[in-house]
Amino acid sequence: DAGVTQSPTHLIKTRGQQVTLRCSPKSGHDTVSWYQQALGQGPQFIFQYYEEEERQRGNFPDRFSGHQFPNYSSELNVNALLLGDSALYLCASSLGSLAGVNEQFFGPGTRLTVL
Amino acid sequence: GENVEQHPSTLSVQEGDSAVIKCTYSDSASNYFPWYKQELGKRPQLIIDIRSNVGEKKDQRIAVTLNKTAKHFSLHITETQPEDSAVYFCAASRGAGGTSYGKLTFGQGTILTVHP
Repeated sequence: DAGVTQSPTHLIKTRGQQVTLRCSPKSGHDTVSWYQQALGQGPQFIFQYYEEEERQRGNFPDRFSGHQFPNYSSELNVNALLLGDSALYLCASSLGSLAGVNEQFFGPGTRLTVL
Repeated sequence: GENVEQHPSTLSVQEGDSAVIKCTYSDSASNYFPWYKQELGKRPQLIIDIRSNVGEKKDQRIAVTLNKTAKHFSLHITETQPEDSAVYFCAASRGAGGTSYGKLTFGQGTILTVHP
């Protein structure tokens, strides 16, 4: 039973570029949430995808967008990269279709460095 | 929106001692409180969670207590071991259901060091 997987592991980009990060949820899960974790900080919620739609969003600009595919995997896209976007990007999967069930399981993350 | 404060930011204990980490939250509608352990360079791992309908939950050496009136919850680790050394995060959520989808709001983290 595969856990949450993410790719790539590390990524280096320059300011102004665009990046796409990928996530496959844990087997049986249908909901993917994305978090940004700056160095020395707790994860911050970016958005959540369920049934291929964004259903909740945190305080992040429109440069951050996402997508969920029919197989429940998800992508996070960041446009016009800024130095401040350098962080660990974490994907968490959960079973969103069942009310009251909250456990979120995290992937290993993608370390994004913007130069 | 929800705000979660976590204390202390660093905690150093001797092996075998107990460790306590405390969190307060602001949203009285929050009803799910997980704790995550994150080792250096690794993913956050869920170690224990508690829902608002109980006041305490234990799992071997780990326990969590919740005081809904005061809006605070705590992680207790007994008989600490060097492998308990990591960063611990508390989080709060309104839970999934209705118009709430389980967004987690995290505390700032506690670096726990257990000295042999």
